[in-house]
Amino acid sequence: SFDLIQPPSVSVSPGQTATITCSGDRLGDKYVCWYQQKPGQSPLVVIYQDDNRPSGIPERFSGSNSGNTATLTIRGTQAMDEADYFCQVWDTSNSWVFGGGTKLTVL
Amino acid sequence: QVRLQEWGPRLVKPSETLSLTCNVSGYSIGSGFYWGWVRQSPGKGLEWIGSLYHTGTTFYNPSLKSRLTISADTSKNQLSLRLNSVTATDTAVYYCAREGYCSPTTCSYFSFWGPGTLVSVST
Repeated sequence: SFDLIQPPSVSVSPGQTATITCSGDRLGDKYVCWYQQKPGQSPLVVIYQDDNRPSGIPERFSGSNSGNTATLTIRGTQAMDEADYFCQVWDTSNSWVFGGGTKLTVL
Repeated sequence: QVRLQEWGPRLVKPSETLSLTCNVSGYSIGSGFYWGWVRQSPGKGLEWIGSLYHTGTTFYNPSLKSRLTISADTSKNQLSLRLNSVTATDTAVYYCAREGYCSPTTCSYFSFWGPGTLVSVST
């Protein structure tokens, strides 16, 4: 099975840039999606197909994917961005694979 | 707007069957896309359970495959999940979701989610 590895936690000061990574074997060959999940809520897509932002998602969210690592970047991080973030890919074994999640703390 | 709503028993006894239904509105299941179930154990991450393609083809998480059935009733526009022989480790919030649009065939993600329903496995 394909594994996606994320750091358990990332901390950032308000207004600074938060970087959350997602690692997997030759991950750059796959398309990565990022979800934001706040307590008690369903996941929300913030980036799909590596670097595409759905309508309604602020421009401060961006994504990249190359080699073995995908990155979610949040520029000018705000308190409202504090949440859990999950990366996800579709694997050619017809499986949808999620990373373990990263808790972003804005302090 | 696509809307999904999960429903079913909130409490299931160990060794019994967990059954959930997802009501879909705003889009017909048989018209396109993958439809999936995802769960999240308390305080844990997201786990893909399985998916159903609009043609009826199903794909299951290998770790659950032996106990799992996912199906759709297109006349009612409902997605269903049955998980047999449950244990306490199956306690989780269960979400149904629909794939989002992504042009490459190797790109797939869940764009629309239900609010989720917490199912507890306990005596």
